[in-house]
Amino acid sequence: SQQGEEDPQALSIQEGENATMNCSYKTSINNLQWYRQNSGRGLVHLILIRSNEREKHSGRLRVTLDTSKKSSSLLITASRAADTASYFCATGSVGNTDKLIFGTGTRLQVFP
Amino acid sequence: DAGVIQSPRHEVTEMGQEVTLRCKPISGHNSLFWYRQTMMRGLELLIYFNNNVPIDDSGMPEDRFSAKMPNASFSTLKIQPSEPRDSAVYFCASSFLEEQYFGPGTRLTVT
Repeated sequence: SQQGEEDPQALSIQEGENATMNCSYKTSINNLQWYRQNSGRGLVHLILIRSNEREKHSGRLRVTLDTSKKSSSLLITASRAADTASYFCATGSVGNTDKLIFGTGTRLQVFP
Repeated sequence: DAGVIQSPRHEVTEMGQEVTLRCKPISGHNSLFWYRQTMMRGLELLIYFNNNVPIDDSGMPEDRFSAKMPNASFSTLKIQPSEPRDSAVYFCASSFLEEQYFGPGTRLTVT
């Protein structure tokens, strides 16, 4: 069964706006990762945050992690039409970081 | 590096036929994963290997599915016999640390 549940399932915004996606999970984790999937393509790794970190940045991406609430958020600032894709969170469990459990994904549409 | 390579990219077959999907991981990566993605069930991990050894096959749906990794540069996922409900996109991914690198996927249609 999927561990991660993402919210919202779909999000539509205009170019230049910020996009925020949320992920909740159920068990203790070692790390949480975000991936992007363009239509018809494989997933691409975006960013990894470890369980002892609270916030991480990479370019226009900002990820937060709240282990007490078992949740994470991905913020994309100043969005572009090229950001249109599905975004997935994935968790690596304590004791088994090889195996990732993927969430259900958020479909982001950015209109020019 | 060319990334993870999967073949074929598209496969259309009739129910009952054997299907073999192939994957070449990124050189130097020691873990390989097979996933299945459908609209209904999302992305599911089927099986993964570490150093060519199957570690967790709990996601393999049933005995019709089998996977092998005879060496560090090649893996196969076989479905025999195939059924229409096996229609999905099958992804192979490889990793060295926690980050996984995905192939382009094989879109399987079973009629």
